[in-house]
This record gives sequence, structure tokens and C-alpha cells, in this order.
Amino acid sequence: AQRVTQPEKLLSVFKGAPVELKCNYSYSGSPELFWYVQYSRQRLQLLLRHISRESIKGFTADLNKGETSFHLKKPFAQEEDSAMYYCALTTDSWGKLQFGAGTQVVVTP
Amino acid sequence: DVKVTQSSRYLVKRTGEKVFLECVQDMDHENMFWYRQDPGLGLRLIYFSYDVKMKEKGDIPEGYSVSREKKERFSLILESASTNQTSMYLCASLLARAHNEQFFGPGTRLTVL
Repeated sequence: AQRVTQPEKLLSVFKGAPVELKCNYSYSGSPELFWYVQYSRQRLQLLLRHISRESIKGFTADLNKGETSFHLKKPFAQEEDSAMYYCALTTDSWGKLQFGAGTQVVVTP
Repeated sequence: DVKVTQSSRYLVKRTGEKVFLECVQDMDHENMFWYRQDPGLGLRLIYFSYDVKMKEKGDIPEGYSVSREKKERFSLILESASTNQTSMYLCASLLARAHNEQFFGPGTRLTVL
């Protein structure tokens, strides 16, 4: 069965510092990978997906099939980036998501 | 703009009660999902539905059932609530096409006493 691992429960960074959230997955095929974000008192929403190869709010994520990783990066963290971040994958046509445990990011001024 | 709504933001029930959580989406999405969200565990899929009256078990279906009588509405039922079902419940919908994002509701915080 597929699995998503986010090793950091909490990441505390200073404003302006780089931030990297780690995500590793286990799946023998080619999954679709996503990062979802939940800001305080807001609903869970899509941040980015690997298929789009886009940069959203300064965040990027590269799929590394050799290392089975999909780490999320931002060169300069902002206070508004404080949120819970979930890495997720889907491997079937129904679009069911397998989530990691989540990483809480706190950006301090 | 996709809207997914859930009937309650907060719910308090007693052990053994039958609990209904309702979810409605307004974008004609085929697929709908129920997850529970717990600290340290992330989101886990309870059930999903890909069409009216169709349902499939997710990873943790025990103690839950679902109903989808209309395309826009997906209900989660706790037949006999237990304290270990205290959690945040999230509903989501998805247009049945590859690479699409799931749209989530605001969540229902259920406490079972």
C-alpha cells in the first residue's frame, strides 16, 4: 500500500529564512503528488501539484522519483506562511488522497 | 467558485447516539469523500462515493456508513457514536478527471462524551 511520510511535525523558521518541508512516499508506480495547506481557521486547500510544475506563493516542489520525494521549498519565508502543510498522493482514477501526518510551520518575525 | 458546505461546525453527542454529518457541494462534482483529521495522523479516508447510491470503503470505515441519494449531497453516519470517534471530519468533492484538486468543506468538530 502507498504511504506518505512527513518527518517533521513542527518547523519553526525566522522570517526571510529558507524553508523546506520534507515529504517521502512509497509507491512503485507513478503517483500524482500534491501539497495542501490549512491556514488558521480556514479550510484545507490545494497549494500545488507536481503535474503543473507551478510556483504558488513562492513555493515550489520537485518530484524526485529516484528518492521518492516531493519536498516543498520556499527561499524566503513570510509570516503569512504559518500554517499546517500536508503532502498527499493519489494513485487511482477516483482521486482518493493518501495524506502524510502534516507539518506545522511557524514563521517568527 | 466551488462551494462545499458541512451542516455543523461543532457537534457534541453522547456515546451510543446515532450521528449524521451532512455535506453538500454545488459544482456538480461526481466524486465525494469523507476524511477524519487527527493530530499526528493527518487525514484518513473513511468512505468515498463516485456516483449517486455508489460508495466505497476507505482506509478506516469501521463504525461508519454513508449515504448518497443525490449527487450534491454525501452524508456520513455514525451508527453508535463512541469516544474514539471524537475528531474533525472533513468532506471533499472532486470533478472526476485526472489531476484535479479536491475541494474541502470547513469541517465538523465532533465531540463524543
